[in-house]
Amino acid sequence: DTGVSQNPRHKITKRGQNVTFRCDPISEHNRLYWYRQTLGQGPEFLTYFQNEAQLEKSRLLSDRFSAERPKGSFSTLEIQRTEQGDSAMYLCASSLGWERVDTQYFGPGTRLTVL
Amino acid sequence: AQSVAQPEDQVNVAEGNPLTVKCTYSVSGNPYLFWYVQYPNRGLQFLLKYITGDNLVKGSYGFEAEFNKSQTSFHLKKPSALVSDSALYFCAVRDLLSTHNNNDMRFGAGTRLTVKP
Repeated sequence: DTGVSQNPRHKITKRGQNVTFRCDPISEHNRLYWYRQTLGQGPEFLTYFQNEAQLEKSRLLSDRFSAERPKGSFSTLEIQRTEQGDSAMYLCASSLGWERVDTQYFGPGTRLTVL
Repeated sequence: AQSVAQPEDQVNVAEGNPLTVKCTYSVSGNPYLFWYVQYPNRGLQFLLKYITGDNLVKGSYGFEAEFNKSQTSFHLKKPSALVSDSALYFCAVRDLLSTHNNNDMRFGAGTRLTVKP
């Protein structure tokens, strides 16, 4: 068990560019979550996968955001036409998925800065 | 919808003294409650959770939390603080009645704990 990993750890981009982040969950974890965290705030839920199926999306997830988990393992989060307001820490978490309320384990996050 | 409040932005304690980080919640049904800790430039680490059963929950690193239904609180405690406990602490809640969304976990804004030697 090597924990949840995220790449890159930091990303600086210019407004209008597209960015993609990757999350590798803990092996055998069926559920995968994406959160956004801004300075001084707790994480805010963006979206959630059960295996490869995206089961829930927050209203925070505008149409510029898209997430995939094609084989039920790693996941990618893409932001198109980035805006300065997208600057935040993007956190990924995974959980076993055996229980209705199971514990989510978080990765170190990807810090996005949009210039 | 459920919500969490962490009324203190900052808590300062001396090393060796007991610490308390406060959390109150609001849910429609019965709550599932969590505490996470975040160190600089790192993700959230799970400390403990309350699902049902004993109101006093013991977790990692010597932390514990007490569920109080009448006061809708879930305060995090530790009998003797360490300098290494200095970090950002987040309380989170999920509502047992939320049957449709599997992830409707709401986090508080966080409390920065500083333990001084």
